[in-house]
Amino acid sequence: NAGVIQTPRHKVTGKGQEATLWCEPISGHSAVFWYRQTIVQGLEFLTYFRNQAPIDDSGMPKERFSAQMPNQSHSTLKIQSTQPQDSAVYLCASSPPGGVNQDTQYFGPGTRLLVL
Amino acid sequence: GDSVTQTEGLVTLTEGLPVMLNCTYQTAYSTFLFWYVQHLNEAPKLLLKSSTDNKRTEHQGFHATLHKSSSSFHLQKSSAQLSDSALYYCALSGNYAQGLTFGLGTRVSVFP
Repeated sequence: NAGVIQTPRHKVTGKGQEATLWCEPISGHSAVFWYRQTIVQGLEFLTYFRNQAPIDDSGMPKERFSAQMPNQSHSTLKIQSTQPQDSAVYLCASSPPGGVNQDTQYFGPGTRLLVL
Repeated sequence: GDSVTQTEGLVTLTEGLPVMLNCTYQTAYSTFLFWYVQHLNEAPKLLLKSSTDNKRTEHQGFHATLHKSSSSFHLQKSSAQLSDSALYYCALSGNYAQGLTFGLGTRVSVFP
């Protein structure tokens, strides 16, 4: 089991450019979550999908941020017109559909985004 | 909305001493509480979880008891090890498989 895979691990963009972050959940997991991690704010929930359907995007900034899950094997987080305040580690997590661990989220290593 | 408070930002201690990290929360819904640990340059990993009032849960030498009357889920270990040096997050979910609300985290540094 490779765990949750996130690519790229590091990304540097210029202000105003677009950044697309990729997440491959653990095979068989039905829920995918996105979080943002900064020193000041800690870990913040952004959005999540269950069985590829968007369920809750209450943590997503309303402008410039979007997330998709076109199939069960990957999800993307896209940030348009990146700003320096978007610099953070973006973490993806997945959880299984049932069983004793259905409430456990398994995190990927994160993508460290730096906006210059 | 939901909130989680971790009062200590940094805890430093000597190997072999006990450690306790505080976690209190506010929520209007059913309660699932978690402790996640994140070692340097690694992904957060689940350490403990509970949804049962007044039941002690243990894993890897750590333990915590969910007390709904005081809205607390403090993490304890009787004897800290060097390998316990990490960032510890307390988190809350109103139901299973929902987005987690995290506290700001407590960094633990254990010295020889």
